[in-house]
Amino acid sequence: DAKTTQPNSMESNEEEPVHLPCNHSTISGTDYIHWYRQLPSQGPEYVIHGLTSNVNNRMASLAIAEDRKSSTLILHRATLRDAAVYYCILRDVGGSQGNLIFGKGTKLSVKP
Amino acid sequence: ETGVTQSPTHLIKTRGQQVTLRCSSQSGHNTVSWYQQALGQGPQFIFQYYREEENGRGNFPPRFSGLQFPNYSSELNVNALELDDSALYLCASSPGVAGGDLYFGPGTRLTVT
Repeated sequence: DAKTTQPNSMESNEEEPVHLPCNHSTISGTDYIHWYRQLPSQGPEYVIHGLTSNVNNRMASLAIAEDRKSSTLILHRATLRDAAVYYCILRDVGGSQGNLIFGKGTKLSVKP
Repeated sequence: ETGVTQSPTHLIKTRGQQVTLRCSSQSGHNTVSWYQQALGQGPQFIFQYYREEENGRGNFPPRFSGLQFPNYSSELNVNALELDDSALYLCASSPGVAGGDLYFGPGTRLTVT
């Protein structure tokens, strides 16, 4: 699995949008872009994933650059509960499901 | 639907001892993965079990071993504990060996003194 690069930390104000960037310049054509987050004292939880097109779900949106070398996780209105470490992970479509390669992620702080 | 559960939540062991951590997968999930998360780091893949057989392993020594049972629950065993084994151990289940998402448990915090 290719490597991703994320900022170590970001801050946001409550009820404002948050854009979490991720660079993956060595992404291959069969790599999906996955996002997980880890709330304090909990295990990681799935947020969203995509391959080429932008994706939306109830938790977030994922914007994928046209060349797929970067992506952005968008939280439309940050809440205090969104304070967590966010991980951007590349996963080959044919790769072992359980083997996710986590980096250090981005620690998001949300101010009231 | 019951999520992934792990036991115990916390554990303190002495260097050289052995430890067994347990995980119950989410209903309907036949694949279990184990991860080690050191303080301030992202989780690192230890191994995966699918239908009671090891189906992938990360860069961990053989003293890290596992089992998966017919009901898809799983155990992680660590022999000859070292101080560096102190970490949060996470179990994750998924509905198949390829594709889909991982569902993580809350983890077991192991402290080795």
